[in-house]
Amino acid sequence: SQQGEEDPQALSIQEGENATMNCSYKTSINNLQWYRQNSGRGLVHLILIRSNEREKHSGRLRVTLDTSKKSSSLLITASRAADTASYFCATETGANNLFFGTGTRLTVIP
Amino acid sequence: SQTIHQWPATLVQPVGSPLSLECTVEGTSNPNLYWYRQAAGRGLQLLFYSVGIGQISSEVPQNLSASRPQDRQFILSSKKLLLSDSGFYLCAWSDGLATDTQYFGPGTRLTVL
Repeated sequence: SQQGEEDPQALSIQEGENATMNCSYKTSINNLQWYRQNSGRGLVHLILIRSNEREKHSGRLRVTLDTSKKSSSLLITASRAADTASYFCATETGANNLFFGTGTRLTVIP
Repeated sequence: SQTIHQWPATLVQPVGSPLSLECTVEGTSNPNLYWYRQAAGRGLQLLFYSVGIGQISSEVPQNLSASRPQDRQFILSSKKLLLSDSGFYLCAWSDGLATDTQYFGPGTRLTVL
């Protein structure tokens, strides 16, 4: 299936440390997106990287995309307790075809 | 098993007209419900979520509103549509308990002319 897989499934770090999450997928994509989900709430779009882009930044977020390896990584620098959430990658293969991964549960310890 | 319905599947409306999109869930009780708008190449945008009847949280200011008149019914509305309201609208539910996994409906394609 196209569904992405995040790695690790769970990550626990101290506040101030960097957090890196990885996502792998299986087929060609138009773009890859990262979302955050706080428990009990909806998905919040963080960043989108197109298939012809290799790296993108947004505030403390840095996303890389390697289409040859079909993988992406999300780096959160200088983490805060408020970053505690689940993070999902999603791949878009066509109009409105969005496939989500299984997510990484990040816990930032104050 | 649980199922989620959305209708209509497609809708073409003139600017300034009202809107009502409906979403219903079967096979579960007291779900969390969500409305998203998806723009191709731009990802999902969370519009509203609800954890119970009459409880609506809005994520972004906009021309739209949401209501939850019944436990498994979620309605997206507008009094006067704008051109910028065109898009693909997705409803989703989660059980809000052991897992936050969301299940999406088939979506409504809205075109405002």
